[in-house]
Amino acid sequence: ETGVTQTPRHLVMGMTNKKSLKCEQHLGHNAMYWYKQSAKKPLELMFVYNFKEQTENNSVPSRFSPECPNSSHLFLHLHTLQPEDSALYLCASSPGTRTYTFGSGTRLTVV
Amino acid sequence: ELKVEQNPLFLSMQEGKNYTIYCNYSTTSDRLYWYRQDPGKSLESLFVLLSNGAVKQEGRLMASLDTKARLSTLHITAAVHDLSATYFCAVVQLYSGGGADGLTFGKGTHLIIQP
Repeated sequence: ETGVTQTPRHLVMGMTNKKSLKCEQHLGHNAMYWYKQSAKKPLELMFVYNFKEQTENNSVPSRFSPECPNSSHLFLHLHTLQPEDSALYLCASSPGTRTYTFGSGTRLTVV
Repeated sequence: ELKVEQNPLFLSMQEGKNYTIYCNYSTTSDRLYWYRQDPGKSLESLFVLLSNGAVKQEGRLMASLDTKARLSTLHITAAVHDLSATYFCAVVQLYSGGGADGLTFGKGTHLIIQP
């Protein structure tokens, strides 16, 4: 365990479903991130939160909706996804010193 | 737009051999990261290089950074099977996020070391 916990580890969902990914850290870090890792593209930064405020949205489609209720928790709400959204979704946290701790990821399959 | 390019993307080598993975990036950045990823696993931090000329070594891996050339290398010495993995380099994207800058990754080098 790295200190960043992601649940679930695996998720299969239909294109009409709504689901959420969860990320939790108790490292005292103030910044949290969502990354997408798919087979066809490099690891892509999706969202950045710093002290619960979203500071970056990397042109992510609105079918992905992040939520950061506090500095320890980060969610990614999913709805009406497409098969090409199937990927490994990685969460990371940082104390703001540009050092990063990654979670184990959620393997998402959209059917 | 910050771009990070790694080569080669795929490397098959024999145990005992030496090889180098290259990482080029397109804009100024003051630190460069190397990660390892095993199949189905998360990213393991290997090195953080903070300045021009920085060199770090851990076991059979050595990383270096040339900020003027915007080039980092990851050198593998006398490779062993346990080093088989995918290796990523990454560079910080400089936002105005108060230090909460995200990373831009290369595509990764899939390394297979055969006995």
